[in-house]
Amino acid sequence: AQSVTQLDSQVPVFEEAPVELRCNYSSSVSVYLFWYVQYPNQGLQLLLKYLSGSTLVKGINGFEAEFNKSQTSFHLRKPSVHISDTAEYFCAVWGTSYGKLTFGQGTILTVHP
Amino acid sequence: DAGVIQSPRHEVTEMGQEVTLRCKPISGHDYLFWYRQTMMRGLELLIYFNNNVPIDDSGMPEDRFSAKMPNASFSTLKIQPSEPRDSAVYFCASSLSYLSLDNEQFFGPGTRLTVL
Repeated sequence: AQSVTQLDSQVPVFEEAPVELRCNYSSSVSVYLFWYVQYPNQGLQLLLKYLSGSTLVKGINGFEAEFNKSQTSFHLRKPSVHISDTAEYFCAVWGTSYGKLTFGQGTILTVHP
Repeated sequence: DAGVIQSPRHEVTEMGQEVTLRCKPISGHDYLFWYRQTMMRGLELLIYFNNNVPIDDSGMPEDRFSAKMPNASFSTLKIQPSEPRDSAVYFCASSLSYLSLDNEQFFGPGTRLTVL
């Protein structure tokens, strides 16, 4: 089985501050890892993905994430957030034997001026 | 490409009525996924298809739910009869392949279903 845990359901932060959204996964097989963003009343958009290679992955809008196999984590970071980053963020894992994407419960990031 | 297209965007119906949600995947994508998003349960995979064939429907909540993919460019998710607890946002997604580097899923805008 595979599962994803997003450790924070809500993260408030001030504009231009750094942010980290935490994600831990569990899987007995090799995985691909993803972060998606959902803006209000919209579908999910891919922010970044880890498939193989370098453990530091850079995505759109200045976000990056680091794959840590020993800690089974894939935390999302941004050094300086903007108001427009306010959205819900989903971590997801694709186990290479399971054939499906499993999502975490989501983290609502709210950026305050 | 216009991306994944879903219709209707909003649906309000009364308990007991039949509801049909529609999805057009991105052309050339072999995989199609139906998800449901609720506050209580988050984002859940209901069913997915490969080359129009249902592969895993273990997420379908009960027999009131059914999904079909009659051809590569169209899929439906039907709820009959609908119940208030079915109220949710239903997303369709498609992807190019499976177990490869191209298995990114592209999501549609969703259908917000309200059952009164």
